[in-house]
Amino acid sequence: DAGVTQSPTHLIKTRGQQVTLRCSPKSGHDTVSWYQQALGQGPQFIFQYYEEEERQRGNFPDRFSGHQFPNYSSELNVNALLLGDSALYLCASSWNRGSYEQYFGPGTRLTVT
Amino acid sequence: DQQVKQNSPSLSVQEGRISILNCDYTNSMFDYFLWYKKYPAEGPTFLISISSIKDKNEDGRFTVFLNKSAKHLSLHIVPSQPGDSAVYFCAASRLYGQNFVFGPGTRLSVLP
Repeated sequence: DAGVTQSPTHLIKTRGQQVTLRCSPKSGHDTVSWYQQALGQGPQFIFQYYEEEERQRGNFPDRFSGHQFPNYSSELNVNALLLGDSALYLCASSWNRGSYEQYFGPGTRLTVT
Repeated sequence: DQQVKQNSPSLSVQEGRISILNCDYTNSMFDYFLWYKKYPAEGPTFLISISSIKDKNEDGRFTVFLNKSAKHLSLHIVPSQPGDSAVYFCAASRLYGQNFVFGPGTRLSVLP
């Protein structure tokens, strides 16, 4: 049973560039949430996708956008990167009707220079 | 304004003893709670959950207690093992299956 997978593992970008991160949910899950984790802090909710629509959004600017595909996989896009966007980006999947528990992938470490 | 607090940044426990990790929250609307552990360079691993209709949930060595009136939950690990050494996060949500608010984490060290 495949767990949540994310790609790439690491990424280095320059300030002002754009980045796309990818996530495949755990088998049987239909909902994907994205979180940002800065060093020494807990994960912060960015947004959640269900049925290919953004269902809920945290306190992040419009530079952060996402997409969910018919196979439930998801992308997180960040435009006009700032140094402060350097963080671990985590994807979590869940089953909308089955449980409120969320399962995380290994994360993508983004460094903005 | 931190809605979920884990006031102990770190905790050391002897192998075989009980580890108790605490979490406090300020929003009385939170109804769903999760505990995760996280090793360096890995994503958080789900441990155990509890909803507000219960005050206790057990899964093997892990037990979570919820005191809604005090807005407090705790995770008990018995017996503690060296492999339990990790950062532990509690998370809370108002809505079923939707966004979770995480605490800052507690680093647990289990000493052999």
